[in-house]
Amino acid sequence: GENVEQHPSTLSVQEGDSAVIKCTYSDSASNYFPWYKQELGKGPQLIIDIRSNVGEKKDQRIAVTLNKTAKHFSLHITETQPEDSAVYFCARGLFKTIFGAGTRLFVKA
Amino acid sequence: EAGVAQSPRYKIIEKRQSVAFWCNPISGHATLYWYQQILGQGPKLLIQFQNNGVVDDSQLPKDRFSAERLKGVDSTLKIQPAKLEDSAVYLCASSSFPNTDTQYFGPGTRLTVL
Repeated sequence: GENVEQHPSTLSVQEGDSAVIKCTYSDSASNYFPWYKQELGKGPQLIIDIRSNVGEKKDQRIAVTLNKTAKHFSLHITETQPEDSAVYFCARGLFKTIFGAGTRLFVKA
Repeated sequence: EAGVAQSPRYKIIEKRQSVAFWCNPISGHATLYWYQQILGQGPKLLIQFQNNGVVDDSQLPKDRFSAERLKGVDSTLKIQPAKLEDSAVYLCASSSFPNTDTQYFGPGTRLTVL
């Protein structure tokens, strides 16, 4: 189907450590892969995105990698801080966007 | 720049009742989306508008859900009659797609059906 699988569902790290969230997709036609951060009581907010013609993209402490052959992409957060604690969603597609189930990240001070 | 506005923020109704949600997108954004987010899950697209036309409503339960965007600006989503499984947060988002990719989300309306 067109599902996006996201792992892990929960991730707990110590402040300053790195966090990695992985997603896989099945639709080989997909060429746009955004990542969203959702804090309690708020809507999701785009934090980084990548297109299929690029293998990696970085924005300060956040990076995304894409392996189109294997149909998986990952979010990397380095030097995590308590304010990074939130639910993170991967997604695919500009049209008929499909979201993963989310990863709840806890950053312990 | 003002964000996406939604109202009400919270709504509690009994099953079989009707409910409506309102969304005002970011000014100038032609594309508007309604998502349903059940607790513990990712948002699920219900309907996507381009100006006042529907470009996708394949996951909208049309026997009970309806949505409109008559003047290509704000939009309403209605549920009639509501079921227990409709309890969720209903998110509205807008974008200037196809010009740019970013979807901007509103705070959502949390619906509880008793």
